[in-house]
Amino acid sequence: DAGVIQSPRHEVTEMGQEVTLRCKPISGHDYLFWYRQTMMRGLELLIYFNNNVPIDDSGMPEDRFSAKMPNASFSTLKIQPSEPRDSAVYFCASSFLIGRQAFFGQGTRLTVV
Amino acid sequence: AQKVTQAQTEISVVEKEDVTLDCVYETRDTTYYLFWYKQPPSGELVFLIRRNSFDEQNEISGRYSWNFQKSTSSFNFTITASQVVDSAVYFCALSSSGGGADGLTFGKGTHLIIQP
Repeated sequence: DAGVIQSPRHEVTEMGQEVTLRCKPISGHDYLFWYRQTMMRGLELLIYFNNNVPIDDSGMPEDRFSAKMPNASFSTLKIQPSEPRDSAVYFCASSFLIGRQAFFGQGTRLTVV
Repeated sequence: AQKVTQAQTEISVVEKEDVTLDCVYETRDTTYYLFWYKQPPSGELVFLIRRNSFDEQNEISGRYSWNFQKSTSSFNFTITASQVVDSAVYFCALSSSGGGADGLTFGKGTHLIIQP
């Protein structure tokens, strides 16, 4: 397996624009997580899915953020409208079980200008 | 609520020195899992180790070793004979298998600098 695949690797967008980040988890993994990394707040869990169902979205900062997992092999994190404070590295991770090793993607570096 | 504290923001040592990264955690769950991840300058997160709350045996993997002590809620990481390639940010993380089952709660990380 190629591991967790995220796209794009880098995204630069203007404030107010919609941004969509994509993630393909490792095949067979039932859990998918979205994390955000910033200098100020470190690594934070935004939302996670189990068998494509969102379980906990309490980490999603605002209604501008939304995440979907239409099938076991694809998830999106959308920000609309984007703001400069959304600039961060967004990581997607997947794992076979809670408590097991989470495999991280390479991350998407988002810059909102 | 869960919490992971890595009090050392940055550590700088000379190559071949031993270095210990501290991690203290808080959780109300009796079943939980502790992790260490490495983030090199390239930015990816690399898994190093996972330990469950019922296994307090220390572990050694090459130059890396981990000391888990439930009595002090600590899970410290030691690198023996450090090398320049060990330079990275190291994160300690906690996951519980409580009813709500959640993802990883990360510490703020320790930036380790190994000078040649």
